[in-house]
Amino acid sequence: ETGVTQTPRHLVMGMTNKKSLKCEQHLGHNAMYWYKQSAKKPLELMFVYSLEERVENNSVPSRFSPECPNSSHLFLHLHTLQPEDSALYLCASSQETGLRTDTQYFGPGTRLTVL
Amino acid sequence: AQKVTQAQTEISVVEKEDVTLDCVYETRDTTYYLFWYKQPPSGELVFLIRRNSFDEQNEISGRYSWNFQKSTSSFNFTITASQVVDSAVYFCALSPRGSSNTGKLIFGQGTTLQVKP
Repeated sequence: ETGVTQTPRHLVMGMTNKKSLKCEQHLGHNAMYWYKQSAKKPLELMFVYSLEERVENNSVPSRFSPECPNSSHLFLHLHTLQPEDSALYLCASSQETGLRTDTQYFGPGTRLTVL
Repeated sequence: AQKVTQAQTEISVVEKEDVTLDCVYETRDTTYYLFWYKQPPSGELVFLIRRNSFDEQNEISGRYSWNFQKSTSSFNFTITASQVVDSAVYFCALSPRGSSNTGKLIFGQGTTLQVKP
């Protein structure tokens, strides 16, 4: 039912692995977002893409590398992560016109565990 | 400063009780949007409502109602006759519309609601 899908839903990786998270939106939106949700912390915005260009990067460590090949797909490439990077990673999309804020719709998230 | 505070970390009620989740926000923008999202155990954030700063009319949707008061910078959410399926984490969020804040959502810490049968 959801207009935003994320794969995989669960991921366990070692600190030396390289993996990628995938997000796909079927809503015809032009903006996509990555959020990190750690235990007992508010959701943290990581990256924003609008019209496939990165418009915000909230001081995220370089071991997280986003990619937005088109307006429907968003990736988060991971390498040499730390245990403290274990969290729920949520993707969202919205339709941004520059004049008003539209609602962000979220995917189900990827639960990442770094060993 | 842009900030959202949900002072209630956890609330536990018995089914059919009414419950109000508090949300207080801070922003210097005159134009902004407020949201409520529900996060069930499955993890997905489900959109519930969006209000803009120029519309203080309260809203009711079934068992859900929202009370927006600019004078106190609050946007509270009430569930009437709560049900077990309402058990989830509820987030209040603010989207300021300053020129550098396109599409940015600022979330509160969330309130965990447990509805017991």
